Amino acid sequence: GESVGLHLPTLSVQEGDNSIINCAYSNSASDYFIWYKQESGKGPQFIIDIRSNMDKRQGQRVTVLLNKTVKHLSLQIAATQPGDSAVYFCAENMASGYSTLTFGKGTMLLVSP
Amino acid sequence: EAGVTQSPTHLIKTRGQQATLRCSPISGHTSVYWYQQALGLGLQFLLWYDEGEERNRGNFPPRFSGRQFPNYSSELNVNALELEDSALYLCASSLQQGVRNTIYFGEGSWLTVV
Repeated sequence: GESVGLHLPTLSVQEGDNSIINCAYSNSASDYFIWYKQESGKGPQFIIDIRSNMDKRQGQRVTVLLNKTVKHLSLQIAATQPGDSAVYFCAENMASGYSTLTFGKGTMLLVSP
Repeated sequence: EAGVTQSPTHLIKTRGQQATLRCSPISGHTSVYWYQQALGLGLQFLLWYDEGEERNRGNFPPRFSGRQFPNYSSELNVNALELEDSALYLCASSLQQGVRNTIYFGEGSWLTVV
């Protein structure tokens, strides 16, 4: 079936760099997208979300970009810090009925001091 | 305000036994979701409850079941445990279904089947 996937399994950056984590989705009916951060041994933590009527949304040090034409989602983290090291998941949800969040496999972000 | 709380934190069971995991949603949230996260894998959707009713079910065998109580807390039951059921079981909650509300997760319950 259709699913959400990630391009890179691991991303290594230096502290202070900007990080970009990418996600591809294949279901054109998806209308809501969320990025979660999961630190080792903990549950996923909500970072930022975006709806399909937007193409950009900014939070504190994070920006999510949505390109519906190519079904691509990205999470940009500015001035990456060691505390940002975690696995990042994108998730999608569809507009109809009792649909639920579908998660990608995750990208590990490693930040070196 | 308390987040999603889950118990127990860790549970060790023998193959063939039953496991019961519990979840309390964020106050005011009526929807509860269960996900399984096996080691090194992504989150697999298990069950979704809202207003006491099962709204959706993932691709898991019937020995995975659950329920939602009138206070919106929820239980996940896993019968006839198998070794591959060892995983982190995550509960999440959101405001009422039907709109795209943010889903918030608890810290999970680690189930080990030996």
